[in-house]
Amino acid sequence: AQSVAQPEDQVNVAEGNPLTVKCTYSVSGNPYLFWYVQYPNRGLQFLLKYITGDNLVKGSYGFEAEFNKSQTSFHLKKPSALVSDSALYFCAVRAQNSGYALNFGKGTSLLVTP
Amino acid sequence: DTGVSQNPRHKITKRGQNVTFRCDPISEHNRLYWYRQTLGQGPEFLTYFQNEAQLEKSRLLSDRFSAERPKGSFSTLEIQRTEQGDSAMYLCASSLAQTGDGYTFGSGTRLTVV
Repeated sequence: AQSVAQPEDQVNVAEGNPLTVKCTYSVSGNPYLFWYVQYPNRGLQFLLKYITGDNLVKGSYGFEAEFNKSQTSFHLKKPSALVSDSALYFCAVRAQNSGYALNFGKGTSLLVTP
Repeated sequence: DTGVSQNPRHKITKRGQNVTFRCDPISEHNRLYWYRQTLGQGPEFLTYFQNEAQLEKSRLLSDRFSAERPKGSFSTLEIQRTEQGDSAMYLCASSLAQTGDGYTFGSGTRLTVV
């Protein structure tokens, strides 16, 4: 079985400060890991993915994520938050050798205050 | 190409009625996915197609739900005898058949069953 845990329902950050949105996963075998962002009443937008190789993945809008196999984590980070980063963030996983369905976490609401 | 298109954007229906949603994927994408998202939850996988073949179905896809992708282009998702519990955002996504590919999501169809 595959699953994702996003332990924080909400993360509050002041503009200009670094942000971290946490994600841990459980999967049999090697994972493909993804981060998506969702704005109100919109579909999900792809931010970045980890397939293989370098553990630090860089994505859209200045976001990056670090794959940590020993801790089964894939935390999303940004060095300097913008108010426009306020949105709902979803982590997702699927096993490399098992189907194509992504398993999503419940999401973390990021609020960046001016 | 303007991305993944879903119609209608909103649908309000009475309990017991049938509804059908349409998804037009990115033209060169041969994989198409349907997800359901309820308030406060991440998207949940329903089904996926590779070209016109429906290759995987979730247990969430009860016998009241049917999805088709004739000719491997657009897809429809039909819900028969709708129930209030079917109220959700229905998301469509598409991707290329490449290892580790990310999805492109549409904006979704919001279904309200009254």
